[in-house]
Amino acid sequence: DGGITQSPKYLFRKEGQNVTLSCEQNLNHDAMYWYRQDPGQGLRLIYYSQIVNDFQKGDIAEGYSVSREKKESFPLTVTSAQKNPTAFYLCASSIGVREIGNTIYFGEGSWLTVV
Amino acid sequence: AQTVTQSQPEMSVQEAETVTLSCTYDTSESDYYLFWYKQPPSRQMILVIRQEAYKQQNATENRFSVNFQKAAKSFSLKISDSQLGDAAMYFCAFDGNQFYFGTGTSLTVIP
Repeated sequence: DGGITQSPKYLFRKEGQNVTLSCEQNLNHDAMYWYRQDPGQGLRLIYYSQIVNDFQKGDIAEGYSVSREKKESFPLTVTSAQKNPTAFYLCASSIGVREIGNTIYFGEGSWLTVV
Repeated sequence: AQTVTQSQPEMSVQEAETVTLSCTYDTSESDYYLFWYKQPPSRQMILVIRQEAYKQQNATENRFSVNFQKAAKSFSLKISDSQLGDAAMYFCAFDGNQFYFGTGTSLTVIP
């Protein structure tokens, strides 16, 4: 089945550790995105990528890093510099190079908790 | 910057009844799209309906329809014949040169 796969579903991180969230899509979409969701704040854009080997910061990129070595993959690393990383993370993709009106499709999300 | 406001954090509706969720937005763009997404307890975001700003006709998808008032910058979602499976968080989203999401409305469906 075509879709967006995020892993792991649940992840616990100790303070000071970096962790990486995986996102893979087999929809042949060019654009991919990472969003963070906190209670009462909707979705906020962390990073997005329109093509391989290129990505742009979103509204809350500090403390995060990404890579786009393959069209299908867009992993997100939550670094120790991210002061409050406990949240729900959503990966998404859209069909073409970023232009208005393209529907964004989402994965099932990953819960990250700092312990 | 664009903003999207959902003024109703929580709503409830009796099963089989109709409910309307509100959304307003602020933009200086003339060309944009508006979306409603549903996030059920599984947390996966699902597209409900999509509206192009230059189209005056309101979008409809089965029991879901919108009331798009461009001059008022309003984009409400009407759910008819509400079902238990409609219970979810609903997010309004604006797409100009970037996607912006509202803070969501939690809908409860009462049997």
